[in-house]
Amino acid sequence: GAGVSQSPSNKVTEKGKDVELRCDPISGHTALYWYRQSLGQGLEFLIYFQGNSAPDKSGLPSDRFSAERTGGSVSTLTIQRTQQEDSAVYLCASSPQTSGGPRQETQYFGPGTRLLVL
Amino acid sequence: KNQVEQSPQSLIILEGKNCTLQCNYTVSPFSNLRWYKQDTGRGPVSLTIMTFSENTKSNGRYTATLDADTKQSSLHITASQLSDSASYICVVRGNQGGKLIFGQGTELSVKP
Repeated sequence: GAGVSQSPSNKVTEKGKDVELRCDPISGHTALYWYRQSLGQGLEFLIYFQGNSAPDKSGLPSDRFSAERTGGSVSTLTIQRTQQEDSAVYLCASSPQTSGGPRQETQYFGPGTRLLVL
Repeated sequence: KNQVEQSPQSLIILEGKNCTLQCNYTVSPFSNLRWYKQDTGRGPVSLTIMTFSENTKSNGRYTATLDADTKQSSLHITASQLSDSASYICVVRGNQGGKLIFGQGTELSVKP
């Protein structure tokens, strides 16, 4: 079956430009997560959506970052006025739910979008 | 200080050899611990999941152990293969429905 997909796979942009990264979660998964992975660093939580609940935005590093999830499915992460330090791999993950046992909470990751800000 | 610390940072072994990766965590209360494998250029893939009551869990040549008292976990890889070359990430969930806390990973390289 189809896994989590992300697009674009690679994005090169100039400093100051806005970028949009897209995530298509596994069908039926209610929870969706965005992470950032910088070179040599662990995954950094950015934001997560659970069903119709208000998203947990506590990991967003600045107000230049925002995300939305339309119709409980596809999600878009937007970075405005990109800076060089935004260069990283942006990973999206989805899970069936966020409670109900570890197997229901298992996150399935997409391949990531590699963002390079020049 | 990271709440999930992994060691070593990187490791090189010869094909066919065994190795053990370590994960120490301070996250409390603890719900479950996972090991993920991340191939270069790919997203992480779950290998094992353990709750506080489980001491060991196997997935093929991968065996994870957990000591909830000392807050330590290990991932043992038996008879390594070239395809085991990847980053191995230890991930801890603090409580039911809480966020995942990721270690920085151990970069394993298996040489022929």
